[in-house]
Amino acid sequence: GENVEQHPSTLSVQEGDSAVIKCTYSDSASNYFPWYKQELGKRPQLIIDIRSNVGEKKDQRIAVTLNKTAKHFSLHITETQPEDSAVYFCAAVINTGNQFYFGTGTSLTVIP
Amino acid sequence: EAQVTQNPRYLITVTGKKLTVTCSQNMNHEYMSWYRQDPGLGLRQIYYSMNVEVTDKGDVPEGYKVSRKEKRNFPLILESPSPNQTSLYFCASSLTGAGANVLTFGAGSRLTVL
Repeated sequence: GENVEQHPSTLSVQEGDSAVIKCTYSDSASNYFPWYKQELGKRPQLIIDIRSNVGEKKDQRIAVTLNKTAKHFSLHITETQPEDSAVYFCAAVINTGNQFYFGTGTSLTVIP
Repeated sequence: EAQVTQNPRYLITVTGKKLTVTCSQNMNHEYMSWYRQDPGLGLRQIYYSMNVEVTDKGDVPEGYKVSRKEKRNFPLILESPSPNQTSLYFCASSLTGAGANVLTFGAGSRLTVL
């Protein structure tokens, strides 16, 4: 099956700085890569996703990039705010299956 | 309100005592799935279902059962719980198969097995 690795496991940034979280995957058949944000004590919620036919996608302060050749994708958050503090999970989905393979999560702390 | 509802939200039980965690969605979603979340391990898929009477194993199905007799319900059954099944469990659903639509998660069920 697919193996998704996520780094770093913890990340602290000053408010206003950028944050980058990276994930790698192993199966070249993966074609859908969502990112979920989980605030403390809450459920995961989708914040952005990208499909394998796209190299980059942006939504206001959040962007995701995908490098299919290298099998890695990254989440970029610019102008971070305290409310961005949460655990972020990347995931990969293989196009022929219906399984989500999640990374182990990154705990982001934005210091005011 | 469109939502995924899990019950119970919190449960403490003892080894070997069968339990069921219910999951219900009101969005007419075809795809439903169960995950467990453990520190340092992220979210791991237990089982998923593409539609009524269709279920498949995820990454960590051992010790769990599921059923999909109705489109809206997807209960998770622990026939003989053990302490290593102590975890936070999430049910999720989406309109069609994984990757086609956004996964909507339930609020989570925290299970402790003594």
